[in-house]
Amino acid sequence: GAGVSQSPRYKVAKRGQDVALRCDPISGHVSLFWYQQALGQGPEFLTYFQNEAQLDKSGLPSDRFFAERPEGSVSTLKIQRTQQEDSAVYLCASSLDGTGGVELFFGSGTQLSVL
Amino acid sequence: DQQVKQNSPSLSVQEGRISILNCDYTNSMFDYFLWYKKYPAEGPTFLISISSIKDKNEDGRFTVFLNKSAKHLSLHIVPSQPGDSAVYFCAASRWTSGTYKYIFGTGTRLKVLA
Repeated sequence: GAGVSQSPRYKVAKRGQDVALRCDPISGHVSLFWYQQALGQGPEFLTYFQNEAQLDKSGLPSDRFFAERPEGSVSTLKIQRTQQEDSAVYLCASSLDGTGGVELFFGSGTQLSVL
Repeated sequence: DQQVKQNSPSLSVQEGRISILNCDYTNSMFDYFLWYKKYPAEGPTFLISISSIKDKNEDGRFTVFLNKSAKHLSLHIVPSQPGDSAVYFCAASRWTSGTYKYIFGTGTRLKVLA
């Protein structure tokens, strides 16, 4: 596709439910990032992949959060036993490589609401 | 501990005038600084970047200035247009743990009045 695609666009979950958020990056992009954006805040780093390798997961808030990119393309962010504080927009971004000045291409995000 | 700060949550500017958005950072190890623009219900889109070894970068109506001694950068938009109304995030990147990590500020909502 032409851009980064995320699905679903909106997700409503009951507290305690597991959710899976999908990201399809731009074809050929090596680097993939997940960010969490709470209302009125900037995006906060969750985790980073270079191809299929998860090189940094220091931003994942708890062990309920898990991300994978098994074939170095599509990535899934899974949240187990969702809590109300997990409500946020989850943004996926990709870039051609991992250099610092290269722009990140963001998807439109998945807005997660935990009731 | 917020490493990238945007202290003005909002800014209103008349069409045709200059918009100046500010950003401060605390970590002198950042290598690049970037500005992103975000419309409602869309992901952020890249606007302009600057390397830490430069003090100015210009792209059309957009100019970013970097003052390393003050740990401050600013984005100038001139002339401002109504379509520039959006939330602007500054971001800084640094090499850490084998990757480049991008840290974003909290954003400034710009409203350009026609």
